[in-house]
Amino acid sequence: DAGVIQSPRHEVTEMGQEVTLRCKLISGHNSLFWYRQTMMRGLELLIYFNNNVPIDDSGMPEDRFSAKMPNASFSTLKIQPSEPRDSAVYFCASRPHGEGEAFFGQGTRLTVV
Amino acid sequence: DAKTTQPPSMDCAEGRAANLPCNHSTISGNEYVYWYRQIHSQGPQYIIHGLKNNETNEMASLIITEDRKSSTLILPHATLRDTAVYYCIVRVQNTGNQFYFGTGTSLTVIP
Repeated sequence: DAGVIQSPRHEVTEMGQEVTLRCKLISGHNSLFWYRQTMMRGLELLIYFNNNVPIDDSGMPEDRFSAKMPNASFSTLKIQPSEPRDSAVYFCASRPHGEGEAFFGQGTRLTVV
Repeated sequence: DAKTTQPPSMDCAEGRAANLPCNHSTISGNEYVYWYRQIHSQGPQYIIHGLKNNETNEMASLIITEDRKSSTLILPHATLRDTAVYYCIVRVQNTGNQFYFGTGTSLTVIP
């Protein structure tokens, strides 16, 4: 398995534009996490899905952020409209059913100018 | 709420054992101790986890004190590639509880 795959690896966009980050889970995994990492705040959990259903979105900073799992193997994180303070590295991670460690993707480095 | 305390940074000589401490004094009886590391610009990587017994795998050893209020991750022969930020996390196994990362320990392996 190729692991958790995120795209794009780098994204530069202008303030106000819509940004969509993508994540492909490891086959057979049923839990999906989105994290954001900045120097100031470290690794923050944004949202967690289990079996395609959002379980905890308390970490989503505001209504400009939304996340979906249209199927069991794919997720998107959308920011609309984007702001410079959204600049960060965004990671997704997946975990198999029941137990086991979370496997992280390589991240998407987002820069909003 | 990360529920763990780690020193912000440590150095270790190449080839020597690296011992990374973690305090988790409020750990509950059903919470496991997990260790992850993050090499610069990469996603966090799982290392090891345990409940109360010491654990060892091909990457590291985990020593958990009898009262479970602290643990130590041991890299037996540190290499330059082990330079990374190491995170200690406590969570309940087999539940929906997600992984909350603290600030971690930045380990630098010196040639």
